[in-house]
Amino acid sequence: DARVTQTPRHKVTEMGQEVTMRCQPILGHNTVFWYRQTMMQGLELLAYFRNRAPLDDSGMPKDRFSAEMPDATLATLKIQPSEPRDSAVYFCASGLGDRGANSPLHFGNGTRLTVT
Amino acid sequence: AQKITQTQPGMFVQEKEAVTLDCTYDTSDPSYGLFWYKQPSSGEMIFLIYQGSYDQQNATEGRYSLNFQKARKSANLVISASQLGDSAMYFCALKTGTASKLTFGTGTRLQVTL
Repeated sequence: DARVTQTPRHKVTEMGQEVTMRCQPILGHNTVFWYRQTMMQGLELLAYFRNRAPLDDSGMPKDRFSAEMPDATLATLKIQPSEPRDSAVYFCASGLGDRGANSPLHFGNGTRLTVT
Repeated sequence: AQKITQTQPGMFVQEKEAVTLDCTYDTSDPSYGLFWYKQPSSGEMIFLIYQGSYDQQNATEGRYSLNFQKARKSANLVISASQLGDSAMYFCALKTGTASKLTFGTGTRLQVTL
């Protein structure tokens, strides 16, 4: 059963430290998304890629966040420096973007980040 | 701009009863899809059911069905014969034909009781 794999599942770090979250999308999926979930804001789209090219990162604080896809099997989300307000669950999702509106996104299990 | 609204923060239903979770949406794109996801307490996001804007019939997937009323721009999820394992957060989401991204509602927390 193909699934999106995220690592780490949990991360606790101190303010100011760099955090890197990794995602392996489902093989063959050409769109990859990073979402952040908090109690206050719900599910927010941070960035997404199609065929490894960034399409939209308007939801991401540019000064500290960066998202990349070094290759088709790996997407990364980095926070440097991290702040307590970055504490959230970060989800990666992948899908088949060429199928238009009828293709669901498949989510990983998320990375629960706590910044102290 | 696209928008999804879920007005029920929480719902209770007795085991074996049916429950409807509300979702309304707004988009100017004639081609769009509506999705429902379940998020149990363990945190993963599970895709449940999809409805396309051009679909003539309401989508069904086992105990899940979608009450799609296009003129009212609503896409309510109906869960029949509720089970204790259905207790979770449920999110409605919208994707348009011109963009790959999903826009999510704020979610409804469903609690199934004995």
